[in-house]
This record gives sequence, structure tokens and C-alpha cells, in this order.
Amino acid sequence: NAGVMQNPRHLVRRRGQEARLRCSPMKGHSHVYWYRQLPEEGLKFMVYLQKENIIDESGMPKERFSAEFPKEGPSILRIQQVVRGDSAAYFCASSPPLRGPAREQYFGPGTRLTVT
Amino acid sequence: GESVGLHLPTLSVQEGDNSIINCAYSNSASDYFIWYKQESGKGPQFIIDIRSNMDKRQGQRVTVLLNKTVKHLSLQIAATQPGDSAVYFCAENVGLTGGGADGLTFGKGTHLIIQP
Repeated sequence: NAGVMQNPRHLVRRRGQEARLRCSPMKGHSHVYWYRQLPEEGLKFMVYLQKENIIDESGMPKERFSAEFPKEGPSILRIQQVVRGDSAAYFCASSPPLRGPAREQYFGPGTRLTVT
Repeated sequence: GESVGLHLPTLSVQEGDNSIINCAYSNSASDYFIWYKQESGKGPQFIIDIRSNMDKRQGQRVTVLLNKTVKHLSLQIAATQPGDSAVYFCAENVGLTGGGADGLTFGKGTHLIIQP
């Protein structure tokens, strides 16, 4: 059973360009989460999605950032008009359908975005 | 060796000794806690979790202790090995019954260094 897959693993963008990060959850998982990690810091929650629905985007910046999880295909985190401050590692996690209050989340290897 | 709260970012222990990594959480409504291990350049790896109705949970070479009175979580690693070198994060979550957000809240992390 393949784990959470993310691509690309490394992405370099110039200021003002768009960045698209992809995440394929584990087989059987229907919930996807995106997190951002700055160097030497913990992960910060951005958004939680189920298929075709954004459930919680309380951690997502209001501008330039968007996320989707279509019926078919991977989840996409999109950053428009990137700035240097967007440089970070972006991690996707997935979890199975909820059974009780626990949300065991499994993480992908991350996409390291560098904005030049 | 033992770390204290989130203010000691590095813990150095001798190979073979037991390690104790501590974490203080802030949200008294949190009812689910997870410890993750993150190696350099990789995504967080699930180690062990515990729900708020438990005080202790054991896995293979790892034990998590939860003290809800003082909002304190610890991870004990027995017979520390070189492969245990990593940054360890605690994460908390408010469950559905508590009406909280679905993303995990991560601590800053403790870098565990194993000395031969």
C-alpha cells in the first residue's frame, strides 16, 4: 500500500509566478490536509479537504492561496503570484474515514518550494 | 536524558540510554495527541498516539504519557538507537465532539541527538 505521494518534491519559482503542489492520499483515505513548515519550526495547519469539499481553511492565507480535492485526481495546493516568504516545505497528510474522535494523519514527503 | 517543555530544542543522549521528550500543550479541549518523528528532508512519521481518556500508551520501544491536569505530554524511547536521531513533534487535536478545527496543532519540536 503506497503512502501519501506528493509532487514535485522540489519546486523553484520566481517571484510572481504560480506554484502548484499535488498530493495523492493513501489508498482508502478520503481526507486530505495541507501543512506548511518553515525552517526550524513545527508544521502549521492550512486547510482540510474531503472530496470536492473544503471542510476547514482556517489556516490558509486569505489571498493567493487556494486548495482543491476534485472527485478524480490528486489534491492541489495552488499559490498565485509567489513571494519569497512563501518559501517553505509544504506537507500533505491523509486520514481514513473518521471512526470516533481520532484523526490519525499520515504525511507525505513534502514539496520544498523555493522562491527566487 | 530529559527535555523540558518546548524551550529546550535539542536533547543529547548516549546510545542505549532511555530518552524522555516533553511537550506542554495549551488547549484544554484537546482530546487526541500524536507524536511524530521527522528526519531531515522527510515528512513527519507517525510514532504513537493517545486519546484523552488514557494516561499511558505503549508501543514498540516507545511510551506516551498524558497528564491532563498540567496539560503535559511525554514520549519515552527505550534503549535509544542511532536511527532514533530526528526531530520529534507533539501534535494535538480537538475532536469532533469538542467542535474543534480538524487540523493538528504542532509543537516546535525537540531535536534528539544520539551520541555513540
